[in-house]
Amino acid sequence: GDSVTQTEGLVTLTEGLPVMLNCTYQTIYSNPFLFWYVQHLNESPRLLLKSFTDNKRTEHQGFHATLHKSSSSFHLQKSSAQLSDSALYYCAHQGGRALIFGTGTTVSVSP
Amino acid sequence: GGIITQTPKFLIGQEGQKLTLKCQQNFNHDTMYWYRQDSGKGLRLIYYSITENDLQKGDLSEGYDASREKKSSFSLTVTSAQKNEMAVFLCASRRQNTEVFFGKGTRLTVV
Repeated sequence: GDSVTQTEGLVTLTEGLPVMLNCTYQTIYSNPFLFWYVQHLNESPRLLLKSFTDNKRTEHQGFHATLHKSSSSFHLQKSSAQLSDSALYYCAHQGGRALIFGTGTTVSVSP
Repeated sequence: GGIITQTPKFLIGQEGQKLTLKCQQNFNHDTMYWYRQDSGKGLRLIYYSITENDLQKGDLSEGYDASREKKSSFSLTVTSAQKNEMAVFLCASRRQNTEVFFGKGTRLTVV
């Protein structure tokens, strides 16, 4: 079945440095729909980015990601991390009506 | 706007007990989901429903039942609670190909 892989469980970095979170997916569907969700402490996950267009960069709140169907990837990037970016980040794929999430990456930003 | 309401917020059960979690949404969304969130394991899909009276199993459906008797509500039953089980159950809803919205969760503890 469909699956989403996030290789990093924990990313720790200093404020101001760039951050990149990896996301790859496997799917039987030819038109994948990919998402990034962010979950801050004691909150529910909320949408950060989404894309279904191959090779088109999508941006929101300083984060960006590009869906690459050739490599089945949708990596999340930000050029300069802020303390408020500390959170749990989930990559997700819509296969049919099911929305499948990866295991999540915790980002911890320190001063 | 709308809201997803999950009840109860905290649920303490005994080993072997049948436990029911409830979810209501006023977005008028067609599709609703139940996810289980465990640290390090991400959001795992238990059941989803694309319309009233429809049920689709996710990867984690064993040990659970679900019910979608109305478009606005989706309940989840733990058929036999496992001792020392602790998890957060998140309900979510969406229209097709749009953003998923999450409830605030039900935190389950089994003693």
